[in-house]
Amino acid sequence: NAGVTQTPKFRILKIGQSMTLQCTQDMNHNYMYWYRQDPGMGLKLIYYSVGAGITDKGEVPNGYNVSRSTTEDFPLRLELAAPSQTSVYFCASSNTGDGYTFGSGTRLTVV
Amino acid sequence: GENVEQHPSTLSVQEGDSAVIKCTYSDSASNYFPWYKQELGKRPQLIIDIRSNVGEKKDQRIAVTLNKTAKHFSLHITETQPEDSAVYFCAASRNQFYFGTGTSLTVIP
Repeated sequence: NAGVTQTPKFRILKIGQSMTLQCTQDMNHNYMYWYRQDPGMGLKLIYYSVGAGITDKGEVPNGYNVSRSTTEDFPLRLELAAPSQTSVYFCASSNTGDGYTFGSGTRLTVV
Repeated sequence: GENVEQHPSTLSVQEGDSAVIKCTYSDSASNYFPWYKQELGKRPQLIIDIRSNVGEKKDQRIAVTLNKTAKHFSLHITETQPEDSAVYFCAASRNQFYFGTGTSLTVIP
């Protein structure tokens, strides 16, 4: 039981490049989330999903897209990377909408 | 949406002393209040949570209190140890989590 797995752990992108942050959970959780964590700013919700085929915007969705084709996977897509997207990204999952389990994070730098 | 404020932003205590971190929230419909501990470079981990129908919850050296009328909740750590040093985040939730900005706790041996 690996919990929530995120890849990659680190990535440097050039402005305008695209990438997908991967998130997989093996706990059969319906709820999945993407957060970004900026220094001193806490965690901000980007997108979330309450089940396969269902996604919704959080507080800071601009510049990102998600999909949820399976219960296990919830990838986050950055289409045109900007320096403002430099952050640490955390994926999380939950069975009931409470008590999140977080992944280990992806540290993204856009230069 | 919900607005969660957390204080203090930094806190230093001597080993063995108590530490208290306070959060306020704005949405009276929020009904779930978790606390997360994040060590440097690691993922946030749930340490304790409380629901709106409970006023206090305790787990060994950690306790959380909730005042629904005043819309604030607090984390209490007693007999602090150096391994308690970390950043602590509160959150308030109705159907999604809103996090506070974190408190960096340092326990001085």
